[in-house]
Amino acid sequence: EAGVAQSPRYKIIEKRQSVAFWCNPISGHATLYWYQQILGQGPKLLIQFQNNGVVDDSQLPKDRFSAERLKGVDSTLKIQPAKLEDSAVYLCASSYRLQGPNSGNTIYFGEGSWLTVV
Amino acid sequence: GEDVEQSLFLSVREGDSSVINCTYTDSSSTYLYWYKQEPGAGLQLLTYIFSNMDMKQDQRLTVLLNKKDKHLSLRIADTQTGDSAIYFCAETPGANNLFFGTGTRLTVIP
Repeated sequence: EAGVAQSPRYKIIEKRQSVAFWCNPISGHATLYWYQQILGQGPKLLIQFQNNGVVDDSQLPKDRFSAERLKGVDSTLKIQPAKLEDSAVYLCASSYRLQGPNSGNTIYFGEGSWLTVV
Repeated sequence: GEDVEQSLFLSVREGDSSVINCTYTDSSSTYLYWYKQEPGAGLQLLTYIFSNMDMKQDQRLTVLLNKKDKHLSLRIADTQTGDSAIYFCAETPGANNLFFGTGTRLTVIP
């Protein structure tokens, strides 16, 4: 089966500009996650959707980050305006069931969108 | 709060065994996971272990769990150059999320 698809793979922008990342999860997966991975660190959850509803966005910097999953399939993550510290890899992930990884529900990751803010 | 600690670097010779260690804090984690990240790539699930198990073997991979000490390890037998990557352990502090360590960069020396 096809994996989690993300685009663009690489993006370089100037600070204060905006950027958008797109994610298409594995077909049939109800839960979609966006993680931020800063160089040298592990991924950290930004937002989680179940179908088209937000489950957890407590770590999303809402003054500049927004995300949506309008039809419960694809998702877009936007940053506006970008700061230097937003330079990171943005990983999209999905899982089949509504239960989380604490129930053994495997999360599958895309290859990530690499953002450099200069 | 959650905290997952891993040593940053490990070097082994090709053909030797690698052991990557991890300590975690959340005793309510029902499952614990190991992911692999190759350069420029996303995270690949390697294996996971249920918290009521103390060992799980999957081909060259062996996971050991000491729940009392909150210590998790991943052993890779007969390590190959293709195993060079960053390895992340992750706990599951709540129903919804994976909480990752900083990762261990494994270098396999030919």
